[in-house]
Amino acid sequence: QLQLQESGPGLVKPSETLSLTCTVSGGSISSSSYYWGWIRQPPGKGLEWIGNIYYSGSTYYNPSLKSRVTISVDTSKNQFSLKLSSVTAADTAVYYCARQSVVVVPAAVDYWGQGTLVTVSS
Amino acid sequence: SYVLTQPPSVSVAPGKTARITCGGNNIGSKSVHWYQQKPGQAPVLVIYYDSDRPSGIPERFSGSNSGNTATLTISRVEAGDEADYYCQVWDSSSDPHVVFGGGTKLTVL
Repeated sequence: QLQLQESGPGLVKPSETLSLTCTVSGGSISSSSYYWGWIRQPPGKGLEWIGNIYYSGSTYYNPSLKSRVTISVDTSKNQFSLKLSSVTAADTAVYYCARQSVVVVPAAVDYWGQGTLVTVSS
Repeated sequence: SYVLTQPPSVSVAPGKTARITCGGNNIGSKSVHWYQQKPGQAPVLVIYYDSDRPSGIPERFSGSNSGNTATLTISRVEAGDEADYYCQVWDSSSDPHVVFGGGTKLTVL
């Protein structure tokens, strides 16, 4: 059974960089059938897609966050990571890592991590 | 940027049929995926590619997509279906990206 687990600090100071890692178990991140991505949800609000990455390193990013986001992959560790720079209180959210199937283009998100709350506060 | 519009809330009595819409410009030309999210939990995929159901999702969940509206239909609604529902597409614009609808709170009366 595939499992995704987010890890990283739960508290980040304003203007600093948020860093999270997702560890994939029960399957290979190097599969050609999937993208691996990040989705966030501010408290009480809806889902916001951040971006995703293919095992080769190819990425797509949310245009509204693109200038601050970097997603990277480490196939040797079966992990992928998120960095979000210059954070503000508006970046406070539950961050989910997820697997997204791909047929020509990325499609449905079929596996989600449990999510991790990141709070931006001094 | 492509926008998906969902009603904030839908209410339905147990045993009845709930329909949750997702509006977008010519959404019928895109593949629509639907997620169910219960409080404190990660979302769960309930419909993919407009109308396909993942294994383990009851047949009561179905989807359709045409023109400017995609619809998630839940038949014989149960109390356990009360949740937030989100639609999602891939926007193949000059800057391709995933788009989520704003979400619909389904209340079972």
